[in-house]
Amino acid sequence: RKEVEQDPGPFNVPEGATVAFNCTYSNSASQSFFWYRQDCRKEPKLLMSVYSSGNEDGRFTAQLNRASQYISLLIRDSKLSDSATYLCVVPSPTEVSGGYNKLIFGAGTRLAVHP
Amino acid sequence: GAVVSQHPSWVICKSGTSVKIECRSLDFQATTMFWYRQFPKQSLMLMATSNEGSKATYEQGVEKDKFLINHASLTLSTLTVTSAHPEDSSFYICSARVKSGGYNEQFFGPGTRLTVL
Repeated sequence: RKEVEQDPGPFNVPEGATVAFNCTYSNSASQSFFWYRQDCRKEPKLLMSVYSSGNEDGRFTAQLNRASQYISLLIRDSKLSDSATYLCVVPSPTEVSGGYNKLIFGAGTRLAVHP
Repeated sequence: GAVVSQHPSWVICKSGTSVKIECRSLDFQATTMFWYRQFPKQSLMLMATSNEGSKATYEQGVEKDKFLINHASLTLSTLTVTSAHPEDSSFYICSARVKSGGYNEQFFGPGTRLTVL
């Protein structure tokens, strides 16, 4: 089983739709979680951090379910500019590199928002 | 947020040549930087951790003699792909961790797209 798994998509949705992505993680000791957004041929950029049960920022809501070991990202009122790949990232609770917990990246879920 | 730059943004080279990629932290000092590689439609994979003033720590399966890392100052880390081959063609991204609001946030450089002919 992969350490971080995501549905690759693509999710094709119309503008204004609500879309949700799930991400499952294998290590139950994981404490923090991140959603990054990556545009084509660009670097990942932090979208949201999740340290407790969830986090909300405008149209974006992240929820954590520790019992089932998954994190979700909900996007409401989708915009064309939301089209990107969304990466679920989980710091490994056991692997350390350079004094930091090694980040484990999911393969990403691609979102395409159309007019 | 913190800014990390990379140079060059893209490079095309012939098989057998060496390519150097620079990663700079522009408005902060980074004692530790990370080098990732991303193949098309795959996730980022950590290659190595670059430590200022000491040897890099390589992930399993990454050849340290092929991917030379030098972290000579608190604002610059370089990755040299020696004797590059077509299978080394990839998107190389560096990053640095910065303490923000009590947490360590990771900032990525814009990446370098390497194409080896």
